[in-house]
Amino acid sequence: DGGITQSPKYLFRKEGQNVTLSCEQNLNHDAMYWYRQDPGQGLRLIYYSQIVNDFQKGDIAEGYSVSREKKESFPLTVTSAQKNPTAFYLCASSYGQGISNQPQHFGDGTRLSIL
Amino acid sequence: SQKIEQNSEALNIQEGKTATLTCNYTNYSPAYLQWYRQDPGRGPVFLLLIRENEKEKRKERLKVTFDTTLKQSLFHITASQPADSATYLCALDAAGGSYIPTFGRGTSLIVHP
Repeated sequence: DGGITQSPKYLFRKEGQNVTLSCEQNLNHDAMYWYRQDPGQGLRLIYYSQIVNDFQKGDIAEGYSVSREKKESFPLTVTSAQKNPTAFYLCASSYGQGISNQPQHFGDGTRLSIL
Repeated sequence: SQKIEQNSEALNIQEGKTATLTCNYTNYSPAYLQWYRQDPGRGPVFLLLIRENEKEKRKERLKVTFDTTLKQSLFHITASQPADSATYLCALDAAGGSYIPTFGRGTSLIVHP
């Protein structure tokens, strides 16, 4: 079955540490996204990528970094510069590159907490 | 600024009744609107999409309406079941080529047996 896999499901970060969240999809989608979800808040866009080797900042990119070396993979690094990283992180994919009104397919998230 | 509003209070209804959830927006001219379901600890799952030129869309027990004059979408679940209990998110995409939806905060639906 096609889908999006996020790992790990739970992650703990120590002060000053960078951590990387994995996101893999086998849906053959061009576009991939990272969102952050805090309690009682909507999904906020961190980064997105329309095509391999290209990505753009979303609304809250500070303290995060991404790479898109393969179509299937879009890892997110939460750096030590992100002072409030505790949240539920969601990865999504869709047919992109100018194709509008396509639904997004989401992974089951990674919950990041501070030790 | 652009704003999407969904009722932050949970909607409690009795099994078998119709649940109606509201999504209001301001300072948007969306080309389409999507509804997603999210269960606790899981990612959202796409349910329905309705375009700006469509008034109504149905899928099994689900019905979505889209009123661009009122700037509102209503999401109905008929013959609701306890298994329908979840948070429902609406998402809008602005006309003009952007394909990245903006999500509302979601409304929690609780269906009591």
